[in-house]
Amino acid sequence: NAGVTQTPKFQVLKTGQSMTLQCAQDMNHEYMSWYRQDPGMGLRLIHYSVGAGITDQGEVPNGYNVSRSTTEDFPLRLLSAAPSQTSVYFCASRRQTEAFFGQGTRLTVV
Amino acid sequence: AQTVTQSQPEMSVQEAETVTLSCTYDTSESDYYLFWYKQPPSRQMILVIRQEAYKQQNATENRFSVNFQKAAKSFSLKISDSQLGDAAMYFCAYRAGGATNKLIFGTGTLLAVQP
Repeated sequence: NAGVTQTPKFQVLKTGQSMTLQCAQDMNHEYMSWYRQDPGMGLRLIHYSVGAGITDQGEVPNGYNVSRSTTEDFPLRLLSAAPSQTSVYFCASRRQTEAFFGQGTRLTVV
Repeated sequence: AQTVTQSQPEMSVQEAETVTLSCTYDTSESDYYLFWYKQPPSRQMILVIRQEAYKQQNATENRFSVNFQKAAKSFSLKISDSQLGDAAMYFCAYRAGGATNKLIFGTGTLLAVQP
């Protein structure tokens, strides 16, 4: 049972490039989320999904897109990377109370 | 809007001693959950303990326990018999009940454990 799997673990992008952070869970969880973690700010919600085909914006959605075509996968797309998007990104899933997190992706935009 | 405040950016404890990490929150909801997450240098977010707001009894998980003061909106974490492996960043988090998916995190407390 792999839990929540994020790829890649590290990524360097140039300003203006696009990329997709992958997130997959094998626990059949309905709820999935993307957070970003910045120094001194804790984790902040980017986008979330309550089931396949349903997504909504969180606290800091600008510059990011998501889709949820299957229960298992919830990719996060950066449309045109900016230095302000340098951060550590976490994907999480949950069914009832507890959220399970992936190991994070450290993204640097230069 | 709901907020979570951790007023201790850093704490230090001697091995085998007890330490308490503070957390306060603000909400107008009556149904919610509170969590403490541990983030070691590996970056993995690990759930330490959770508390349902409707439960009066404080949650306990082995050496970890909470002091949940609902009226004061306080949710502190006590670590007993501290071990070197407890050294990490600790985040307090809140989630309203129901279908919401939004976890609101505090800014974290970095705990150092001295041998």
